[in-house]
Amino acid sequence: GAGVSQSPRYKVAKRGQDVALRCDPISGHVSLFWYQQALGQGPEFLTYFQNEAQLDKSGLPSDRFFAERPEGSVSTLKIQRTQQEDSAVYLCASSKILSSGNTIYFGEGSWLTVV
Amino acid sequence: GQNIDQPTEMTATEGAIVQINCTYQTSGFNGLFWYQQHAGEAPTFLSYNVLDGLEEKGRFSSFLSRSKGYSYLLLKELQMKDSASYLCAVRERGQAGTALIFGKGTTLSVSS
Repeated sequence: GAGVSQSPRYKVAKRGQDVALRCDPISGHVSLFWYQQALGQGPEFLTYFQNEAQLDKSGLPSDRFFAERPEGSVSTLKIQRTQQEDSAVYLCASSKILSSGNTIYFGEGSWLTVV
Repeated sequence: GQNIDQPTEMTATEGAIVQINCTYQTSGFNGLFWYQQHAGEAPTFLSYNVLDGLEEKGRFSSFLSRSKGYSYLLLKELQMKDSASYLCAVRERGQAGTALIFGKGTTLSVSS
C-alpha cells in the first residue's frame, strides 16, 4: 500500500480484556517496528521484525505483550489482560532493509484506552 | 543504551527562526533523525544526519556534532502550521534491533 496502515484506529477495552492491533506495512518493506507512545511523550520502542523474524523484543513491557509477523508482511500486536497503564497510542513503522540511512515510516497509530 | 534530551516546550512567532536542541549519549552512534508530529497524527520524517555538519532542506536544517553528542533542528520563516512536536531520534550501531530510540519530543507553539 501507499503507507503504513493500522487498525483499529481507536479501541476501548475493559480492564482484563485481550486486544489485537494490526499493522500492514508499506509493500516490500523488510523491517517492521512497534512503538508505544503515551500522551505528551516520545515513542518508546517495543519490538522489531526483519521479515518474519522477531529480532528484538527488549522493549515489550511485560509477558502480556506479544507480537508476530508470521508471513513477513502484516504484523499483529496482542495485549492480554489489559491494564489501565496500557492506555497509549501504539505506532507501527516500517522501512526497507535496515541500514543507517533508511527512513522509518510510521502509521497513524492505534489509540487504546483501557477503562 | 541511549539517553536523549531535548527541551519540553518552545514558543515562537510567525516568521521567526527557532532552534531545537538535542543531546544524546550512545554506545555506538549510527545516525540521528528528526521527526515532526502533529497532535493525533503519525510522526513524519524531516531529516537525517550521520556525518558532522549541516543538512539543509528548504525551511528546515539539521546539524550534527558527533564528538559533542549534539544536534539541532533549525526552522526558518516559521508558519502557524509548524506548531507540532519535534522528535529527535538516534540509531545505534549494532546487529539486530537497531530501531530508532526517541527523545520525549519538543512541543513548539507558533503564534501570530
